[in-house]
Parts: sequence; structure tokens; C-alpha cells
Amino acid sequence: GAVVSQHPSWVICKSGTSVKIECRSLDFQATTMFWYRQFPKQSLMLMATSNEGSKATYEQGVEKDKFLINHASLTLSTLTVTSAHPEDSSFYICSASKTSPSYEQYFGPGTRLTVT
Amino acid sequence: KQEVTQIPAALSVPEGENLVLNCSFTDSAIYNLQWFRQDPGKGLTSLLLIQSSQREQTSGRLNASLDKSSGRSTLYIAASQPGDSATYLCAMYTGGFKTIFGAGTRLFVKA
Repeated sequence: GAVVSQHPSWVICKSGTSVKIECRSLDFQATTMFWYRQFPKQSLMLMATSNEGSKATYEQGVEKDKFLINHASLTLSTLTVTSAHPEDSSFYICSASKTSPSYEQYFGPGTRLTVT
Repeated sequence: KQEVTQIPAALSVPEGENLVLNCSFTDSAIYNLQWFRQDPGKGLTSLLLIQSSQREQTSGRLNASLDKSSGRSTLYIAASQPGDSATYLCAMYTGGFKTIFGAGTRLFVKA
């Protein structure tokens, strides 16, 4: 168990458009989901933490109006990149956490976004 | 500032060799530490999770240790294989739903 999916796995969009990425926990309920971005040959940087039914908590330097996060249910969180620009091109990874004591995170396969 | 450092940044070994990857962290109030594997262009695969109350975890040819007092964790890979070639990331969770990743060690196992 503990499978997390992301959709789409890759997307190419034009500058100025918006892109939505979905993150789903397939076989468990996730009270908390996390969004990371990863630039080539760099590590993951936490963008925001979202709890079901409440507003996301963004890390310092992450524009909340640009990266809209909605955690609508215990199995779905979405990240919308609004008015995308080429510098937003990156690998976006989500993870989900159960309410168990370990707080272990289960990661999705990632979404590669390319903005042209 | 909470930081996770991984040494070495890259490592190339011949097949069959035993190897150790190092991870150091600055916050002794660590809740757990997790080792991941990432293949190029792919997401993360969880390898081992060590709770703060544990000293080590083992899975197959992998063994991870945790020493909170010294702020160190090691991932030991026995009898390395070409299929082990990947980037290995360690991440510490300090509570408050904050996970901090190291930059990773890129491992290449030569056949």
C-alpha cells in the first residue's frame, strides 16, 4: 500500500498559460500533502504543505499567487502554476503523509513541466 | 539553519564492492531520517526510514544507521550491482511537517 500518483507525468505549455498538476493517494487517506520542485542535478526543495480543507502553508520565497494549491479531499491535492514562464520549468514532485506516528512521506513519480 | 549534507557528491565503484554513503544533519531534534533512491528523470523510491528512537534499519543489501548525537546517518550498500546506479538522497524530518533533503550522492556502479 501507500501509492501516490501524479498526473500528468509531463507537460509542455506556452508562456503565460496555466497548468494544473494532480496528486492522488491511491490506497490511503492523506491528511497532509507536500509539493516539491527539483531543478536538474539539484535536490528537492519544499514549496508548500497542504492539509485537507485548509489553506496551504508556503515556504519562504514561494509565490502563493503563482503556485495555487488546493487540497480538496483526503486523497487529492492540486498544484496550479499560473501564468507560467520558462523559469517555472522544473520537475514537480508531491508526497503524502498518513496520520500514523512515523509521518513517513510517500512520493509521487513527479511531473516534468516545460514552459516554452 | 537546518541543513542536510551528503558526502560524497558522486561516487564510482566497481561491481561487487561494498560502499558507504554519508549524510550529516544539523538538527539533533530529528524525528526521523529517510533514505531515498532517485533514477534520472524519475520520482523518489523510499529505501529505509529510521525513527529517532532507532539506531539502524536493514532491507536486503541495504543498511542505514542513525546517530543523533553526532548528527550523522550512513547508508551501507553491500555487494553493489550496476542496477544500484542512481542518486541517493537522505532527508530529515524535524516535526512540524518540515522535511529537508540533502543534495544527494550520484552513484555509478561499473560492471
